[in-house]
Amino acid sequence: EPEVTQTPSHQVTQMGQEVILRCVPISNHLYFYWYRQILGQKVEFLVSFYNNEISEKSEIFDDQFSVERPDGSNFTLKIRSTKLEDSAMYFCASRSDRASNQPQHFGDGTRLSIL
Amino acid sequence: SQELEQSPQSLIVQEGKNLTINCTSSKTLYGLYWYKQKYGEGLIFLMMLQKGGEEKSHEKITAKLDEKKQQSSLHITASQPSHAGIYLCGAASGTYKYIFGTGTRLKVLA
Repeated sequence: EPEVTQTPSHQVTQMGQEVILRCVPISNHLYFYWYRQILGQKVEFLVSFYNNEISEKSEIFDDQFSVERPDGSNFTLKIRSTKLEDSAMYFCASRSDRASNQPQHFGDGTRLSIL
Repeated sequence: SQELEQSPQSLIVQEGKNLTINCTSSKTLYGLYWYKQKYGEGLIFLMMLQKGGEEKSHEKITAKLDEKKQQSSLHITASQPSHAGIYLCGAASGTYKYIFGTGTRLKVLA
């Protein structure tokens, strides 16, 4: 069964450094998402992306965050200048279309640790 | 903004026992998703409910969306250690945004 893949599984970065998290969504999917889960807390929506542009973003997704679909297969989340509080599990998800009977499929996540 | 509240927050049951997890929304639900998460891993889709009164089953897990579409329940019959994990309900909040509940951590004792 097709799946969403994320790399790396674990990223350790110094505070202030830039980090790029990568995702390969399911190939025929059109809607892409990033979520964040701080340890012990709920899964929080960051951003949704469709037709090469951001559809919606949360208040968490400020100017230090950006997303890109550079080559038609990868979907990346960039954090420009990381802070300690960015440490979390980041999940990518994709969905085939906007029809309400289609679920999102999630990757296994990237654990980001900021030192 | 819409919120999803789950209860209980955690549950420890003996293998073979039945259990129920609830998810209550602050607004009408237009599609409610149930996912399972193992600690430190991704979310695995279990099932989706759309219509008030709808009930779906997959193996020993049954989920139902109430008629007023503001609450869903997930019921596990004859629980097994493989059912252990964190159960999350999720819903669309607006056109492109999805929210998740607080999660219910389930432990099944062999």
